[in-house]
Amino acid sequence: AQTVTQSQPEMSVQEAETVTLSCTYDTSESDYYLFWYKQPPSRQMILVIRQEAYKQQNATENRFSVNFQKAAKSFSLKISDSQLGDAAMYFCARRGADGLTFGKGTHLIIQP
Amino acid sequence: DAGVIQSPRHEVTEMGQEVTLRCKPISGHDYLFWYRQTMMRGLELLIYFNNNVPIDDSGMPEDRFSAKMPNASFSTLKIQPSEPRDSAVYFCASSLFWNTGELFFGEGSRLTVL
Repeated sequence: AQTVTQSQPEMSVQEAETVTLSCTYDTSESDYYLFWYKQPPSRQMILVIRQEAYKQQNATENRFSVNFQKAAKSFSLKISDSQLGDAAMYFCARRGADGLTFGKGTHLIIQP
Repeated sequence: DAGVIQSPRHEVTEMGQEVTLRCKPISGHDYLFWYRQTMMRGLELLIYFNNNVPIDDSGMPEDRFSAKMPNASFSTLKIQPSEPRDSAVYFCASSLFWNTGELFFGEGSRLTVL
């Protein structure tokens, strides 16, 4: 099975600071999609950002950006100017010919 | 446009009872997925449909679980008989394509089997 690994079960950051969540994955494909989903206590899975593997430019959505290293199969999420509303579980996911595979998640805590 | 709609939001039942979870995907989406989320195993794909046809049910844990999609706007996941270890959050998701683009998730159904 092609896996997605999030090595940080929990991260804590001070409000207004920057935090980076790590993700690595395993794949034999050249074309695939990568996602970061946010799951707040409300349980809803919300798409934060996505990256197409064929694009070299790192995706950015407001305070959220990724560092996509295709050769290293790494896809980290950087959250700038952390806000209390960013507190949630964050899931990295890869979508390819075998479907969508999720990592185990990182619990992000925002310290006021 | 309404998102993926799931019901019930919460379900508490006793062991041995039948449980039916419901899902309405986003209109026009050809793919529908059922996921189960637990603390121990994370998000697991149970089954997915393409154009109402079940394509891969290898993630369904056992025969007690069944899923149907009688039309493009409705799917059910049934557990009969339910067991305490089935307690989890069950998500339905839909998408336009199989291997590209994002999945759109419903709010999930939290199932507790006593």
